[in-house]
Amino acid sequence: EAGVVQSPRYKIIEKKQPVAFWCNPISGHNTLYWYLQNLGQGPELLIRYENEEAVDDSQLPKDRFSAERLKGVDSTLKIQPAELGDSAVYLCASSLDGHGEQYFGPGTRLTVT
Amino acid sequence: DQQVKQNSPSLSVQEGRISILNCDYTNSMFDYFLWYKKYPAEGPTFLISISSIKDKNEDGRFTVFLNKSAKHLSLHIVPSQPGDSAVYFCAASARGNQFYFGTGTSLTVIP
Repeated sequence: EAGVVQSPRYKIIEKKQPVAFWCNPISGHNTLYWYLQNLGQGPELLIRYENEEAVDDSQLPKDRFSAERLKGVDSTLKIQPAELGDSAVYLCASSLDGHGEQYFGPGTRLTVT
Repeated sequence: DQQVKQNSPSLSVQEGRISILNCDYTNSMFDYFLWYKKYPAEGPTFLISISSIKDKNEDGRFTVFLNKSAKHLSLHIVPSQPGDSAVYFCAASARGNQFYFGTGTSLTVIP
């Protein structure tokens, strides 16, 4: 069974530019998560989807971050415009029903210069 | 406010010995706990979990212990193997809601 797929794996952009990350969860997993991981820290939740509904986006900086999960499968996370402090690893995870273990993708390492 | 804490950033253990990784939490509502293992340039991989109705869960070489009164859990790996060298994160949630992760402990198993 294929795991969580994320692309791109690495992205380097200049500040003020837009950037988008894509995630394809494990087939059949209803819950999808986007996390931010800074160096030396644990993952921090940005947004959680149950199917296509964002059920927890309280920690998503909505002035510059947006996300969507059309049709309740793939998801895209966008930053516009990017700032230097956005440099981090962006992790996508999925779980069957939002209550058990989460399965993570490899992450996208973003560098903003 | 860090609700899940891993106070040891790193740990070195000789191959074959026991590795003990510790995790403390502050929220008494947490009822489900997980451990993840992370290799460089990869996402975290689920290792083992425990519900608050148990105080121990074992899976092969990995055992997680939960002390609810102390708000403390630990992961025991025995015997430790070089392939266990990775960063280990503990995570906790309350009633299936948001998971909070610790900052991780980097384990090095010395051959």
